[in-house]
Amino acid sequence: DVQMTQSPSTLSASVGDRVTITCRASQSISSWLAWYQQKPGKPPKVLIYKASSLESGVSSRFSGSGFGTEFTLTISSLQPDDFATYYCQHHNGDNAFGGGTKVEIK
Amino acid sequence: DVQLLESGGGLVQPGGSLRLSCTASGFTFSTYSMAWVRQAPGKGLEWVSAIGPGGVDTYYVDSVKGRFTISRDNSKSTVYLQLDSLRAEDTAVYYCAKEYGAHPNNWLDTWGQGILVTVSS
Repeated sequence: DVQMTQSPSTLSASVGDRVTITCRASQSISSWLAWYQQKPGKPPKVLIYKASSLESGVSSRFSGSGFGTEFTLTISSLQPDDFATYYCQHHNGDNAFGGGTKVEIK
Repeated sequence: DVQLLESGGGLVQPGGSLRLSCTASGFTFSTYSMAWVRQAPGKGLEWVSAIGPGGVDTYYVDSVKGRFTISRDNSKSTVYLQLDSLRAEDTAVYYCAKEYGAHPNNWLDTWGQGILVTVSS
């Protein structure tokens, strides 16, 4: 089974910061990776699929990159609405999620 | 609008059973795969199960194989998750989600609000 590992688990940042979250797969998953945002008490929301495709309606300050075993989610300029927990998921396979990265206010 | 509404959660004793339902609206239900994802209190997301559009292809995470059963009734636009032999570690919010496209194991583009299942004596 493919294991997904995210880092860091917690990230403290300020409004306007550029933020990068990393997700590593235990074996190659090609581009089969999605990123989700979850706020407390709410269901997750997909941001990125196939590693770098932006979901319709999602702000362009979110971008994804990577292939194989290493992937990144970048928020170009952190906004107040972006403080949340982010998860990666290997789709088209084991469907495993990463452990999550909580983005906190610094 | 695409909407998913879960029901059937609650408190159950260890070893007991529950059936979760998820009723969909706003899209052609019979042409999409559907999934269940759970989240234990204060923990991360765990993919649980998925089912293809026709209800024949089903998939499970190892920890629930033999205990949980996913099914669907396309005439009612509803997907089900039968939870049997429940354990304390099954306590979680269970989310119903729509897969992108017909093939199971795609990304999840729409989620329900979630339903809490508590397994405790």
